[in-house]
Amino acid sequence: RKEVEQDPGPFNVPEGATVAFNCTYSNSASQSFFWYRQDCRKEPKLLMSVYSSGNEDGRFTAQLNRASQYISLLIRDSKLSDSATYLCVVNEVDSSYKLIFGSGTRLLVRP
Amino acid sequence: ETGVTQTPRHLVMGMTNKKSLKCEQHLGHNAMYWYKQSAKKPLELMFVYNFKEQTENNSVPSRFSPECPNSSHLFLHLHTLQPEDSALYLCASSQEGSGQGTDTQYFGPGTRLTVL
Repeated sequence: RKEVEQDPGPFNVPEGATVAFNCTYSNSASQSFFWYRQDCRKEPKLLMSVYSSGNEDGRFTAQLNRASQYISLLIRDSKLSDSATYLCVVNEVDSSYKLIFGSGTRLLVRP
Repeated sequence: ETGVTQTPRHLVMGMTNKKSLKCEQHLGHNAMYWYKQSAKKPLELMFVYNFKEQTENNSVPSRFSPECPNSSHLFLHLHTLQPEDSALYLCASSQEGSGQGTDTQYFGPGTRLTVL
């Protein structure tokens, strides 16, 4: 089983749609969780950290379910500029600074 | 602008060449990383340097040799590479030790390496 697993997509949605991605992780002791965004042929950039209580940043909402070991990202009112690959990232348990990346979920927002 | 720069941005080399990738961070961070990103695969951590000390070598072949002369600079020396080493090589930095768990890693733009 992969340590961090994501549906590769692509998710093809119209502008204005709401879209949700899930990610599962294998190590129940993981403590830190993130969503990164990676545009085509560019470097990953932090989109948001994921906190136990859930957190929201504008149109983006991240949730953590420790019992089921999954993380979600909800994007409301999709924009064309949201088209990218979204990477689910989890810290490695015995190292606070080692991150494990999922393969990413590709989102395409069409006009 | 992330404050992490990498040169060169693109590199084509033969299997017998020796080349080096350079990374510089302008963020005052104390940890630096090399990652490899191959097509359709997740980012793979290669090396970690914390306060200039290598703390992680993720079973990387010896044809990849990192060097961290100070906390702002990181090099990846390449020697006798194979075609399967062709990938995007990303450098990242972070500020560790704040006691808040894993700190955000900031990535450079990457070097796209092609080995012929």
